[in-house]
Amino acid sequence: EAGVAQSPRYKIIEKRQSVAFWCNPISGHATLYWYQQILGQGPKLLIQFQNNGVVDDSQLPKDRFSAERLKGVDSTLKIQPAKLEDSAVYLCASTQGAGVVGYTFGSGTRLTVV
Amino acid sequence: QKEVEQDPGPLSVPEGAIVSLNCTYSNSAFQYFMWYRQYSRKGPELLMYTYSSGNKEDGRFTAQVDKSSKYISLFIRDSQPSDSATYLCAMSEASGTYKYIFGTGTRLKVLA
Repeated sequence: EAGVAQSPRYKIIEKRQSVAFWCNPISGHATLYWYQQILGQGPKLLIQFQNNGVVDDSQLPKDRFSAERLKGVDSTLKIQPAKLEDSAVYLCASTQGAGVVGYTFGSGTRLTVV
Repeated sequence: QKEVEQDPGPLSVPEGAIVSLNCTYSNSAFQYFMWYRQYSRKGPELLMYTYSSGNKEDGRFTAQVDKSSKYISLFIRDSQPSDSATYLCAMSEASGTYKYIFGTGTRLKVLA
């Protein structure tokens, strides 16, 4: 079974620029998550999709962050404009759903904002 | 007060030692307690989970949950250099698609 794919692996941008991350979940996984992991901290949920609908985006800074999951498969997370404090690893995870414990994470995209 | 607290370490132990990693939490609604291992520049991977209170053993790893104290532990027996990683506890109110709340992670280094 192929894992959760993310790209790019690394990205360096200047503050106020925009950036986009891509995620392809495990085939058949209806639920997709984007987490932000700042250095030295645990992952924090940004947004949760069920198919192509948003379930929870309460911690997404909506003034600068946006995410979509068209056709209920791939997802894109965008930041515009980026701030220095957005430097973090952005992790995508997916799960089959009901009755399953434990997400499968991708390797993440490491963003550095300078 | 954070919902989940975890000592960030780092923790250095000699090879073969027994390692104890711990988390405390404040939300009594948590029912699922997970331990993830995260190697450098990789995503977290699920090691094991426990439902409600009790112990669970998987090879050299044992997870314990004490809901009365709101305290969970992961023990690693006969630790190996390959166990060197960051260990994250995570908790959820239910299985399936409920969101997980993660601890900050404890960085472990097992010295050969």
